[in-house]
Amino acid sequence: EPEVTQTPSHQVTQMGQEVILRCVPISNHLYFYWYRQILGQKVEFLVSFYNNEISEKSEIFDDQFSVERPDGSNFTLKIRSTKLEDSAMYFCASRLGLAGEMDTQYFGPGTRLTVL
Amino acid sequence: AQSVSQHNHHVILSEAASLELGCNYSYGGTVNLFWYVQYPGQHLQLLLKYFSGDPLVKGIKGFEAEFIKSKFSFNLRKPSVQWSDTAEYFCAVNSYTDKLIFGTGTRLQVFP
Repeated sequence: EPEVTQTPSHQVTQMGQEVILRCVPISNHLYFYWYRQILGQKVEFLVSFYNNEISEKSEIFDDQFSVERPDGSNFTLKIRSTKLEDSAMYFCASRLGLAGEMDTQYFGPGTRLTVL
Repeated sequence: AQSVSQHNHHVILSEAASLELGCNYSYGGTVNLFWYVQYPGQHLQLLLKYFSGDPLVKGIKGFEAEFIKSKFSFNLRKPSVQWSDTAEYFCAVNSYTDKLIFGTGTRLQVFP
């Protein structure tokens, strides 16, 4: 069964450094998402992406964050200058989105980001 | 703003006990409802979903959920839990956009 994959599984970085989290969505899916979960808190929506542009973003997704689909398979989340409070598990998700249907989002295993 | 409440933060059961996990949401319009499960060390997996139609939804692994619109609820049930059901369970909702709003999760521990 096709799966969403994410790399790396764990990323440790120094405050102020740039990080890029990578995701490979399910191959024929059209809609892509990033969510995050700070330890002990809810899973929170960050951004949705469709047709090579951001569809929606949350208040968390400020100018320090960006997303890109650099080729036909990868979907990346970049944090330009990491802060301590960016430490969290970051989940990528994708959905097929046939004819604009609201169908299921499939999640990847997550990348645990630790900012020191 | 939309929100999702899961009232049970931590549930401990013995095998064969029945399970009901509560989920309430705050949006009055048309909603899509989901239960996801996260087994230890694994990613979020869809257990079941409700978009429309029969409000009693059956999912994988013997789980079911009932959408009660008048109560803004979508409770998850299983008549007889197994040790392998030990996991964290998340209720989620979306409506006019596709972003998912998650509850805080319920950690279920099942003892043999």
